[in-house]
Amino acid sequence: AQKITQTQPGMFVQEKEAVTLDCTYDTSDQSYGLFWYKQPSSGEMIFLIYQGSYDEQNATEGRYSLNFQKARKSANLVISASQLGDSAMYFCAMKGGGSNYKLTFGKGTLLTVNP
Amino acid sequence: DTAVSQTPKYLVTQMGNDKSIKCEQNLGHDTMYWYKQDSKKFLKIMFSYNNKELIINETVPNRFSPKSPDKAHLNLHINSLELGDSAVYFCASSQLAGGPWETQYFGPGTRLLVL
Repeated sequence: AQKITQTQPGMFVQEKEAVTLDCTYDTSDQSYGLFWYKQPSSGEMIFLIYQGSYDEQNATEGRYSLNFQKARKSANLVISASQLGDSAMYFCAMKGGGSNYKLTFGKGTLLTVNP
Repeated sequence: DTAVSQTPKYLVTQMGNDKSIKCEQNLGHDTMYWYKQDSKKFLKIMFSYNNKELIINETVPNRFSPKSPDKAHLNLHINSLELGDSAVYFCASSQLAGGPWETQYFGPGTRLLVL
């Protein structure tokens, strides 16, 4: 069974500062993918970034980067230079390999960016 | 053009009614999914179809029945609606089912309220 844990129900950050959202995972799969999604107050789910278990480098997408520490089973999302529009719910999710087709989500972290 | 679309966006109905939610994707993907997001924002897979074949059928009441007329469409029909069915239902799609790298792209969600 796969499990995603997001221990921060809510986080606050000042505009223009960097923030790290924590995510730890548990799986017995050797090959797996880790994903982060953003859900603003309007409700849609927006894909942000992906990290594969065999990727040697941390994934980056613009202001988003993923701090992947395989031995610690963590996949933290780092948002640099926070903007007011970053205020949203952020979900960490994982997908196993083979016939494991589904995304398993964490409970989410509500990020508030203060001006 | 919207990649994954759902109709309706909002659905308010009485207990005991039957309702359907429609989903369409124009990404050319083979696999589509239904997820349910509860009042605590927790997301959980319900069903998945790969090229019109059911591949995931989680523990969901049999009042819920998915139908995939073709690989671009996945509909969700709910019979005898109950108060506990109130939630946001998300449709998603991915290029293929297998592989931990397969990113799932979500529709805007359908907010169902059962009175």
